[in-house]
Amino acid sequence: DQQVKQNSPSLSVQEGRISILNCDYTNSMFDYFLWYKKYPAEGPTFLISISSIKDKNEDGRFTVFLNKSAKHLSLHIVPSQPGDSAVYFCAARLKAAGNKLTFGGGTRVLVKP
Amino acid sequence: DAGITQSPRYKITETGRQVTLMCHQTWSHSYMFWYRQDLGHGLRLIYYSAAADITDKGEVPDGYVVSRSKTENFPLTLESATRSQTSVYFCASSESRAQGGYEQYFGPGTRLTVT
Repeated sequence: DQQVKQNSPSLSVQEGRISILNCDYTNSMFDYFLWYKKYPAEGPTFLISISSIKDKNEDGRFTVFLNKSAKHLSLHIVPSQPGDSAVYFCAARLKAAGNKLTFGGGTRVLVKP
Repeated sequence: DAGITQSPRYKITETGRQVTLMCHQTWSHSYMFWYRQDLGHGLRLIYYSAAADITDKGEVPDGYVVSRSKTENFPLTLESATRSQTSVYFCASSESRAQGGYEQYFGPGTRLTVT
């Protein structure tokens, strides 16, 4: 039973446009959410995070939105650049589970020049 | 500033062989993790460790053994490799903080093929 789901396996977007990646979760005890970016043949790298007490966090071109009532978070990338082409994973931390994270299946983003 | 390293980067082994994947971090992070990445499954946690000599199972621990005698090292052993263990394995580490900052930092991965 996947507690963190990324229902879109892939996304294609034109350079300069907005990329919106979605993530749904089922456990209301998740209290911290993260997004990771992964290039081929490399390990995932941390991108941005948000605490469950907030509904938005912004860092440059990246903004994460959290809708707790819908158990949904999204990552907005504006404007999208070719270097953003990668696989993106959302992850969630269960309260009282230490630093353990549960990851979604990933969304492959292709930014076309 | 080496960060977190994994060795080997690529490994081919035969069914039934024992193989050990190494992970080393230079940050003195308390937590260390082992994941496998398979198509359609994202990153699945195999084992993790909250501190030296403390380890615990993750989502998919069967067929794997870990140890953590030193804070900086967290080896993963496949006791008798099976084809289903062909995967890309990632090691990660993170600090222990009272609140927030649960980011994990990943190594470059080991691509393991079991023939």
